[in-house]
Amino acid sequence: EAQVTQNPRYLITVTGKKLTVTCSQNMNHEYMSWYRQDPGLGLRQIYYSMNVEVTDKGDVPEGYKVSRKEKRNFPLILESPSPNQTSLYFCASSLYTGGWRETQYFGPGTRLLVL
Amino acid sequence: QQQVKQSPQSLIVQKGGISIINCAYENTAFDYFPWYQQFPGKGPALLIAIRPDVSEKKEGRFTISFNKSAKQFSLHIMDSQPGDSATYFCAASNPPLNTNAGKSTFGDGTTLTVKP
Repeated sequence: EAQVTQNPRYLITVTGKKLTVTCSQNMNHEYMSWYRQDPGLGLRQIYYSMNVEVTDKGDVPEGYKVSRKEKRNFPLILESPSPNQTSLYFCASSLYTGGWRETQYFGPGTRLLVL
Repeated sequence: QQQVKQSPQSLIVQKGGISIINCAYENTAFDYFPWYQQFPGKGPALLIAIRPDVSEKKEGRFTISFNKSAKQFSLHIMDSQPGDSATYFCAASNPPLNTNAGKSTFGDGTTLTVKP
């Protein structure tokens, strides 16, 4: 089944304790992206990657890191989480054929609470 | 310039009615305008999308109307059903070779409730 998977789905942590949220897709998509969703603010893009070893900042990259060492994986790293990073996080992927991005497929989300 | 403004924030429609959600943008470089549907506890899923070379696209009960000169686009849901109750997001992205080619900008979302 074609899908984007995220782990963990729920996470409670404390301020300053490094964490990683994993994202994996099995559709051989070139493009992957991370978003955070907060009430009333819609989806805001954190980082995106056009292909392996290529990553760029979205609109809200502060406090986050990413890496794209393999095509299928795009982990989101919070080096020193703070309470304002409490949010619902989504990973997404899409084809990037001939320079055009196709439909984005979203993962099920990771709900993070930073105390 | 990368903003997309969506309205209304919430919408209540009777079963069988027409639901209309509007979005406006500033960046004239945007060239891909998708609408996503999100049910509680799920990730967003693409509903329908349009490129600016057409003014309307219809898929079943869902229609996007696009007004390039006004920099606005809207989602129309005909014969709305209770199963359509969800949050809807408009979005916009840039063409390839644009500085921001990989960026996606989303509206704030509209919560649609269709009453039986």
